[in-house]
Amino acid sequence: KNEVEQSPQNLTAQEGEFITINCSYSVGISALHWLQQHPGGGIVSLFMLSSGKKKHGRLIATINIQEKHSSLHITASHPRDSAVYICAVKGGSQGNLIFGKGTKLSVKP
Amino acid sequence: DAGVIQSPRHEVTEMGQEVTLRCKLISGHNSLFWYRQTMMRGLELLIYFNNNVPIDDSGMPEDRFSAKMPNASFSTLKIQPSEPRDSAVYFCASSLKGAGEKLFFGSGTQLSVL
Repeated sequence: KNEVEQSPQNLTAQEGEFITINCSYSVGISALHWLQQHPGGGIVSLFMLSSGKKKHGRLIATINIQEKHSSLHITASHPRDSAVYICAVKGGSQGNLIFGKGTKLSVKP
Repeated sequence: DAGVIQSPRHEVTEMGQEVTLRCKLISGHNSLFWYRQTMMRGLELLIYFNNNVPIDDSGMPEDRFSAKMPNASFSTLKIQPSEPRDSAVYFCASSLKGAGEKLFFGSGTQLSVL
């Protein structure tokens, strides 16, 4: 079993829909990252959180430490949100990030 | 700041050749990460430096791979000799301190070893 599991693997939505991507992990963590990788390949850090909730524009990230689960929500989705969203958790080692396999999101106009 | 800068963007080489990938960190960042991304395995940490010192190199596949930080702002990842299974996208990322801080990624180097 992978230490970081994302669901769904692939997601197709219509423009304007509310989107949720889930991340579950099995190890103790001190931080969780949500990354966005566009079709061109570049990776951008969206959020880094260790508790509660963070919001940036139409994006919201939540984490439940007890349940070892995080969600990334996108409100009023837009075709430019089409990308791969990657969850990564920081374990004990200062440098060690364990990555999920990613969720490929396609938003149709 | 221009962000994390990687070069080259694309590299095509023949098996057995030496490959050198380069990375310039964001000024003031103390941590440097080299990652490899493949379709099969996703993103994997190769090596992590903090203050120019390698802290975790457990992800370096084998002796053919080596990484250096000759100064606080620059790093190289060298593969010698290269093999077809090394074909992947190699990302460099930096942060203020460790993986508990926001990461800033370079645009990656697409490596193809024929």
